[in-house]
Amino acid sequence: GAGVSQSPSNKVTEKGKDVELRCDPISGHTALYWYRQRLGQGLEFLIYFQGNSAPDKSGLPSDRFSAERTGESVSTLTIQRTQQEDSAVYLCASSTYRGNEQFFGPGTRLTVL
Amino acid sequence: SQQGEEDPQALSIQEGENATMNCSYKTSINNLQWYRQNSGRGLVHLILIRSNEREKHSGRLRVTLDTSKKSSSLLITASRAADTASYFCATAVSGGYQKVTFGTGTKLQVIP
Repeated sequence: GAGVSQSPSNKVTEKGKDVELRCDPISGHTALYWYRQRLGQGLEFLIYFQGNSAPDKSGLPSDRFSAERTGESVSTLTIQRTQQEDSAVYLCASSTYRGNEQFFGPGTRLTVL
Repeated sequence: SQQGEEDPQALSIQEGENATMNCSYKTSINNLQWYRQNSGRGLVHLILIRSNEREKHSGRLRVTLDTSKKSSSLLITASRAADTASYFCATAVSGGYQKVTFGTGTKLQVIP
């Protein structure tokens, strides 16, 4: 079956603009995660969804970041008033059960000019 | 601070040699997972070892877990140029849900 997909694959935006990143998890996966990875760095946890609720948002770096999920399907990560330090690859992953193997999408590379 | 930290940060070996990467963590875990990342994009799950397991094999991969030392190692035998990638360990802990935390990664280069 299809894997996790993310769109767009690349996004270049100007400082101050809002961006929306999309993640389509594997069908039937109840858990969904967003991570941020700066160049040459490890993965930084942002938010975890179980179904359409987010029991752990502790990684969101500021109130400019928000995310939502529709049922056990699509999730969008929104960054308002983007800053240059938001430039990174944003990775989405889904899994069948919390703590089990995570399946990653290819990521969205965000560049804020 | 990171729950999992890999060592070394970078490793360069000749094709055919074995590669060993280590991961240390701080708190008790439910399981530990290893992932591979090519070209800075999506990660691929390699292997999961539970806290009550000591060793696990998958093809050319061998993972060990020492919960008393809070450490794990990933051994790749008979390395190939295609194994060139970054390798991350991820620890799953309980706390409302099994939160998975990724380490900083080991960058492996296999020279043909």
